[in-house]
Amino acid sequence: EAGVAQSPRYKIIEKRQSVAFWCNPISGHATLYWYQQILGQGPKLLIQFQNNGVVDDSQLPKDRFSAERLKGVDSTLKIQPAKLEDSAVYLCASSLGTGIYGYTFGSGTRLTVV
Amino acid sequence: LAKTTQPISMDSYEGQEVNITCSHNNIATNDYITWYQQFPSQGPRFIIQGYKTKVTNEVASLFIPADRKSSTLSLPRVSLSDTAVYYCLGEYGNKLVFGAGTILRVKS
Repeated sequence: EAGVAQSPRYKIIEKRQSVAFWCNPISGHATLYWYQQILGQGPKLLIQFQNNGVVDDSQLPKDRFSAERLKGVDSTLKIQPAKLEDSAVYLCASSLGTGIYGYTFGSGTRLTVV
Repeated sequence: LAKTTQPISMDSYEGQEVNITCSHNNIATNDYITWYQQFPSQGPRFIIQGYKTKVTNEVASLFIPADRKSSTLSLPRVSLSDTAVYYCLGEYGNKLVFGAGTILRVKS
């Protein structure tokens, strides 16, 4: 079974620039998550999709972050404009559902804002 | 939203059994307790999940007391490759909430 694919693997941008991350979940997984992981901390949920609908985006900084999941499959997360404090690893995860299913994470995109 | 609490770090030696305890006082009745492992530059990896009593798989055992206010991840005979961060998660409703995790260092 193929895992969760994310790209790019690394990205360095200057503050106030924009950036986009891409995620391809495991085939058939209805639920997709984007997490932000700052160095030394646990991942923090940014947004959760169920198919192509948003279930929870309460911790997404909507003034600069946006995300979409086209046709309930791939997803993109965008930051515009980026701030220094956005430097982190952005992790995508997918699951069949919640509860007993467990989540599969991608390797993440490491963003450095300079 | 309640969070989980676990030790910041633990040290062990190869071949020993390691037990990492997590407290989750306010976990909801229907929510599961899940443990993940994370190596540097990788995403977290599912280890084990349980609701109550004991669950065992090929990697670890998970002990959950009747009150479900805590759980203990048991790693039998650890090796150097088990050095990683271990996260205890409560699934609160539809949210999977990570704490800061426990850094496990296995020494030879």
